[in-house]
Amino acid sequence: EAGVTQFPSHSVIEKGQTVTLRCDPISGHDNLYWYRRVMGKEIKFLLHFVKESKQDESGMPNNRFLAERTGGTYSTLKVQPAELEDSGVYFCASSQVPQRQGSSPLHFGNGTRLTVT
Amino acid sequence: DQQVKQNSPSLSVQEGRISILNCDYTNSMFDYFLWYKKYPAEGPTFLISISSIKDKNEDGRFTVFLNKSAKHLSLHIVPSQPGDSAVYFCAARPRPLYNQGGKLIFGQGTELSVKP
Repeated sequence: EAGVTQFPSHSVIEKGQTVTLRCDPISGHDNLYWYRRVMGKEIKFLLHFVKESKQDESGMPNNRFLAERTGGTYSTLKVQPAELEDSGVYFCASSQVPQRQGSSPLHFGNGTRLTVT
Repeated sequence: DQQVKQNSPSLSVQEGRISILNCDYTNSMFDYFLWYKKYPAEGPTFLISISSIKDKNEDGRFTVFLNKSAKHLSLHIVPSQPGDSAVYFCAARPRPLYNQGGKLIFGQGTELSVKP
């Protein structure tokens, strides 16, 4: 079984540019989460999809971030325009059942390291 | 305000000895606690979890202890092996009343180094 895959693995962009990150969850996983780790700090929740619907987007920092999951398969996270403080590692995770049902663990991708200069 | 805290950024242990990683949380809204392990350039992988109604859960060399009165949990690794060297994240899941989608709240991580 293929794991969660993220693309690109690294991205270096200038302030003001646009970047789109992609996540392919494990096949059959309806629940998809985006997290971010900034400068060695905690891993912070951004948002949660159930299939194509946003279940919880309380962690999205501001309206420069746009997440989509058309068709309920892969997801994209677009940052436009990027700012210096957006630098960090963006993780995608998926699970078969929502985390609120039992302790089914999240399966994480390897992350996209975003550097905004 | 950080709800889950790992106050030790790093820990160094000799191979074969016990590693103890600590985590504190600030309120009683969590119903599950989890530990994840992360190698460089990889995503976190699930290690072990514990329900808030228990005080201990064991899986091989890994044991998690939960002290609800102190709002503290710890991960014990015995015996420690060089392959255990990684960053360990403590995570907590808010109860469904506070958490419609099941998001996790993570600590900052503790980097464990096990010396041969």
